[in-house]
Amino acid sequence: DAGVIQSPRHEVTEMGQEVTLRCKPISGHNSLFWYRQTMMRGLELLIYFNNNVPIDDSGMPEDRFSAKMPNASFSTLKIQPSEPRDSAVYFCASSLSSGTTDTQYFGPGTRLTVL
Amino acid sequence: EDQVTQSPEALRLQEGESSSLNCSYTVSGLRGLFWYRQDPGKGPEFLFTLYSAGEEKEKERLKATLTKKESFLHITAPKPEDSATYLCADNNAGNMLTFGGGTRLMVKP
Repeated sequence: DAGVIQSPRHEVTEMGQEVTLRCKPISGHNSLFWYRQTMMRGLELLIYFNNNVPIDDSGMPEDRFSAKMPNASFSTLKIQPSEPRDSAVYFCASSLSSGTTDTQYFGPGTRLTVL
Repeated sequence: EDQVTQSPEALRLQEGESSSLNCSYTVSGLRGLFWYRQDPGKGPEFLFTLYSAGEEKEKERLKATLTKKESFLHITAPKPEDSATYLCADNNAGNMLTFGGGTRLMVKP
């Protein structure tokens, strides 16, 4: 079975440019999570969708960040405009919400470098 | 505020030298304690979920245990391929996880 798919795997951009990260969750999963990982702050949850609806976006750092999930198979995380401090590895994870505690499965991540 | 703290930050072991990693959490009403393994350049890989104090789970050379405020990941006779960063996370609300900073394990042959 295909796991969580993320693209691109690496992105290098210049400050001020728009960046779009993409995620395809595991087929049949109905919850999707975007995380950011840095050396200083570790792995932080940015936003969480359930059945394509954003449930909690309290981790989104500021208005420059936005996320969408137009259907069950696709989600995007957009940064506009990007800044050097946004450089990090961004992970997408998905799970099957069963009413109890669900296991999240992570994608390979997108390493973003903003110059 | 929910906090998850892992110790040590880094651990060097000789092959075959058993040890334990610690994960402490502050949340009350724990709904699950998760352990993940992360290799360089990859996403976290799920290992275990523990739900209640006294619970234990095993996988090969790894055994995870849970008390009311801590979880331990015991590594028995580790091999170099066990070298990785081990992350723990707790789940206290909905499906959201709070991760600890991780323990970087290096096993030398």
